[in-house]
Amino acid sequence: GAVVSQHPSWVICKSGTSVKIECRSLDFQATTMFWYRQFPKQSLMLMATSNEGSKATYEQGVEKDKFLINHASLTLSTLTVTSAHPEDSSFYICSASQEEETQYFGPGTRLLVL
Amino acid sequence: QQPVQSPQAVILREGEDAVINCSSSKALYSVHWYRQKHGEAPVFLMILLKGGEQKGHEKISASFNEKKQQSSLYLTASQLSYSGTYFCGTEPAGGSTLGRLYFGRGTQLTVWP
Repeated sequence: GAVVSQHPSWVICKSGTSVKIECRSLDFQATTMFWYRQFPKQSLMLMATSNEGSKATYEQGVEKDKFLINHASLTLSTLTVTSAHPEDSSFYICSASQEEETQYFGPGTRLLVL
Repeated sequence: QQPVQSPQAVILREGEDAVINCSSSKALYSVHWYRQKHGEAPVFLMILLKGGEQKGHEKISASFNEKKQQSSLYLTASQLSYSGTYFCGTEPAGGSTLGRLYFGRGTQLTVWP
């Protein structure tokens, strides 16, 4: 149980394009989903927290117009990196939880912006 | 908000023990421990919710000292499969945090045969 998937696993795009990453909880309904980014050999940095049907709560320093988050249902959240630039290249990981307890992580999406 | 983990890296022989520490400057509601292997998602190990709580998972256990705002992860009789980077995630106490976790920089554990 508690499986979270992400799609795509890898994405390479040109600078200036937008990229959408999906996060799905496959066998449970996630009241809350979280988005993190991780640079090589660095920690997981929380970007935003989203609850189904409401606006995401962004961490300080994270541009909400740059990283659009939509939590359309209890099993799906999407992160769109708008007008991506090379400095946005990173490993993006989502996690999902029920009732603010254990977070289960997806396998991550590697984004490379050329 | 980010907790401090120590040590940064540990190298062990199979069967040896290790302790990984996690400390926060903020009051904590809970501490979560994860292990991440290279290129993979973090895998949940355990959550500690109460001050003084101790939990075990196979030969991996942890303690949470709420007053000191610290948690320690204990790995005994280490196995090759224990290799990976261990992260502690802390949830601040007080108010509605929506279950947010703030992660330390990780401790890289390598177990050799």
